[in-house]
Amino acid sequence: DQQVKQNSPSLSVQEGRISILNCDYTNSMFDYFLWYKKYPAEGPTFLISISSIKDKNEDGRFTVFLNKSAKHLSLHIVPSQPGDSAVYFCAASGVNNNDMRFGAGTRLTVKP
Amino acid sequence: DTGVSQNPRHKITKRGQNVTFRCDPISEHNRLYWYRQTLGQGPEFLTYFQNEAQLEKSRLLSDRFSAERPKGSFSTLEIQRTEQGDSAMYLCASSGTARQFSPLHFGNGTRLTVT
Repeated sequence: DQQVKQNSPSLSVQEGRISILNCDYTNSMFDYFLWYKKYPAEGPTFLISISSIKDKNEDGRFTVFLNKSAKHLSLHIVPSQPGDSAVYFCAASGVNNNDMRFGAGTRLTVKP
Repeated sequence: DTGVSQNPRHKITKRGQNVTFRCDPISEHNRLYWYRQTLGQGPEFLTYFQNEAQLEKSRLLSDRFSAERPKGSFSTLEIQRTEQGDSAMYLCASSGTARQFSPLHFGNGTRLTVT
């Protein structure tokens, strides 16, 4: 059961422009939503999260937006840099954090 | 480096053999998770420990899989009678409970290839 979906397997943007990665979920009981970044041969690294009681969280160049009515969240990276090239996973969890669910990932390529 | 450590990084085994992986979590974290990732997919939850107690197990965890966390520190994941379908990246993660919610911190995984 795919409760978290990332429908775009890949995204390519030019350096300096905005990258927008999207994620949809089906379970309205999720309390926290997260984005992880993964480089080849490494484990996923936590990037940013948002609680279900908020609609926006910002950390430097990274902003996550949550639209609960649409069960949709997005990650904005501004400005995009070549070092941002990686696979980005969307994840969702209940408050007890005992069963975090992940999307299939979106491969972001930032071209110099 | 005080991150999550997994050993070995790679394991190649023949079908039918048993394998065991080890995970050392971040020392102050009392929660430990095992996930499996196959090509083109995100990590899939396998099991979760709080201290030494195994509190959740996914239906993905067949009876050939067993995980332990003696003394609430490191954890091992054993796969008995391996099958080719077990080939995957096995990821360990840990989190703390200082706050109500804390993100998972992942190790670099053990890549299993069953021939």
